[in-house]
Amino acid sequence: AQKVTQAQTEISVVEKEDVTLDCVYETRDTTYYLFWYKQPPSGELVFLIRRNSFDEQNEISGRYSWNFQKSTSSFNFTITASQVVDSAVYFCALSGSTDSWGKLQFGAGTQVVVTP
Amino acid sequence: DVKVTQSSRYLVKRTGEKVFLECVQDMDHENMFWYRQDPGLGLRLIYFSYDVKMKEKGDIPEGYSVSREKKERFSLILESASTNQTSMYLCASSPNHEEKLFFGSGTQLSVL
Repeated sequence: AQKVTQAQTEISVVEKEDVTLDCVYETRDTTYYLFWYKQPPSGELVFLIRRNSFDEQNEISGRYSWNFQKSTSSFNFTITASQVVDSAVYFCALSGSTDSWGKLQFGAGTQVVVTP
Repeated sequence: DVKVTQSSRYLVKRTGEKVFLECVQDMDHENMFWYRQDPGLGLRLIYFSYDVKMKEKGDIPEGYSVSREKKERFSLILESASTNQTSMYLCASSPNHEEKLFFGSGTQLSVL
């Protein structure tokens, strides 16, 4: 069975501070896909990034960056210089390729609150 | 622009009622999903479908059934609604299991 753990339930920061969201996953698949989604107060989930298990290259996209480490089964997400519009719930998710095929498993989510 | 449409944003039903939640996607996606979202639990998969008339149980299928008669439409059915089914229900679709999901805006169901 696969599992995604987001240990942080809520993170509160002041605008312009950096925020790092932790995600630890478990899977028996050798090929799998990891995702981050954002859910703003409006409710609709927005896709942020996808990584497959063979691509450990970390990436920076604007103020967002991701750190994928297979050795520790972690896929952490950082917002640099946070803004009020970053306030949302962020979900890490895992999709396997064999017995868990098609089942996108989500973590419990981390609420990010950015205050001016 | 791609679209996943859920028929109702808010729904109030009584215990024991049969409830239909409808979801339509306009992207010709193979896969469609129903999740429920509860505080502190994240999104939990109820059912998914990878083809017309095909369905697979997710992690919490008890008390629910689904129907996919056409590729674009995936319905979630609560045969006899109970108060513990009060939740936010999210529908999603994707072209395949490797790709991102596109989500609808959700249906907040209250069972009284």
